Amino acid sequence: SQQGEEDPQALSIQEGENATMNCSYKTSINNLQWYRQNSGRGLVHLILIRSNEREKHSGRLRVTLDTSKKSSSLLITASRAADTASYFCATDAGRSQGNLIFGKGTKLSVKP
Amino acid sequence: EAGVAQSPRYKIIEKRQSVAFWCNPISGHATLYWYQQILGQGPKLLIQFQNNGVVDDSQLPKDRFSAERLKGVDSTLKIQPAKLEDSAVYLCASRLGGRLNNEQFFGPGTRLTVL
Repeated sequence: SQQGEEDPQALSIQEGENATMNCSYKTSINNLQWYRQNSGRGLVHLILIRSNEREKHSGRLRVTLDTSKKSSSLLITASRAADTASYFCATDAGRSQGNLIFGKGTKLSVKP
Repeated sequence: EAGVAQSPRYKIIEKRQSVAFWCNPISGHATLYWYQQILGQGPKLLIQFQNNGVVDDSQLPKDRFSAERLKGVDSTLKIQPAKLEDSAVYLCASRLGGRLNNEQFFGPGTRLTVL
């Protein structure tokens, strides 16, 4: 079963614009992670936010976490064509050694 | 550092045939995962190893899927016999282990097509 649900399913923006993706989940978590998957490539870890954190930054990425609403958002600022990819949130409920449950992903297209 | 290696990258078989995938995790990574990713969906965990022991195989269809991690390093995932619905990308990932090392490192995947 998939715990995370990303929203929107697809997003198309122009280079330079910001992109915001949301993730909702169902059960309590230890941490929430965001991964990126380019066409034909494997998943790459972007950022992790722990359940006791509310916001985290990494370069052009900003992640927020609201455990009361069981939701997270990923903001990519000043997007580039190279950011075109699918983005997945993954929750770690702490049950067994980092077992992750992935959502269905948001497909981001950044037009030059 | 070398990443997670998987082979083959692509495999086409007919239903009821058998297939095996191989994964070599990052050196020193104690935890290894196999995921199935069906087109348009996120990865779904099939099995998780800690060293050479199984931690979680609750979502592995054990009537047809099997996996092993001999000596706690390389791992193989086998499907026997394959069904049409097994068409997917099979991803292997590894993790260093411990409470603070939560990031999983993924291989490029094996794309399986069952005809």
